[in-house]
Amino acid sequence: ELKVEQNPLFLSMQEGKNYTIYCNYSTTSDRLYWYRQDPGKSLESLFVLLSNGAVKQEGRLMASLDTKARLSTLHITAAVHDLSATYFCAVDAYGGATNKLIFGTGTLLAVQP
Amino acid sequence: DSGVTQTPKHLITATGQRVTLRCSPRSGDLSVYWYQQSLDQGLQFLIQYYNGEERAKGNILERFSAQQFPDLHSELNLSSLELGDSALYFCASSVAAGLEQFFGPGTRLTVL
Repeated sequence: ELKVEQNPLFLSMQEGKNYTIYCNYSTTSDRLYWYRQDPGKSLESLFVLLSNGAVKQEGRLMASLDTKARLSTLHITAAVHDLSATYFCAVDAYGGATNKLIFGTGTLLAVQP
Repeated sequence: DSGVTQTPKHLITATGQRVTLRCSPRSGDLSVYWYQQSLDQGLQFLIQYYNGEERAKGNILERFSAQQFPDLHSELNLSSLELGDSALYFCASSVAAGLEQFFGPGTRLTVL
């Protein structure tokens, strides 16, 4: 059964600092997604990573995927308060006509001024 | 706004009751997914439908059932509710299986 581990669970950062969130998964998959969730809100899609070596960047966030290591990272550059939220990685456990997302535990990011 | 709609936004009910959550996918999306988010279990996949047919099941309790109708909207039925069923229930949709899923705003269920 596919398992997804995300760390850290909680990250308190100062504005302007850099940090990385890690997402490890247990079985082969080449489809990984990063989502952002604000308190009480829905999941907002940030990145779709569909192949080994995929790297995508949007503003201060950059995500990468290494399918051989079964590892994805979400790098935050020069954090700002608006980035405070919970970030989830999700791995697509697909086969044939079925697919389902297996989510990590989430990382609660708090950016302090 | 993802284009996926869910009703109701909030639902408060008592133990032992039955409720129905409704989801309308984005226009053109054939696949609908249901997820449950709770403090102790995190985000869990419940069930997937594609063009009216069930395609995948996750950790969905026997007290829960779902269906997708010919107009592609979906309903999640929760019966014999327990306190532990209190959670945020999300619906997501995609054009086809294996493609990016877009999430609705969720229904917050509180069981008292």
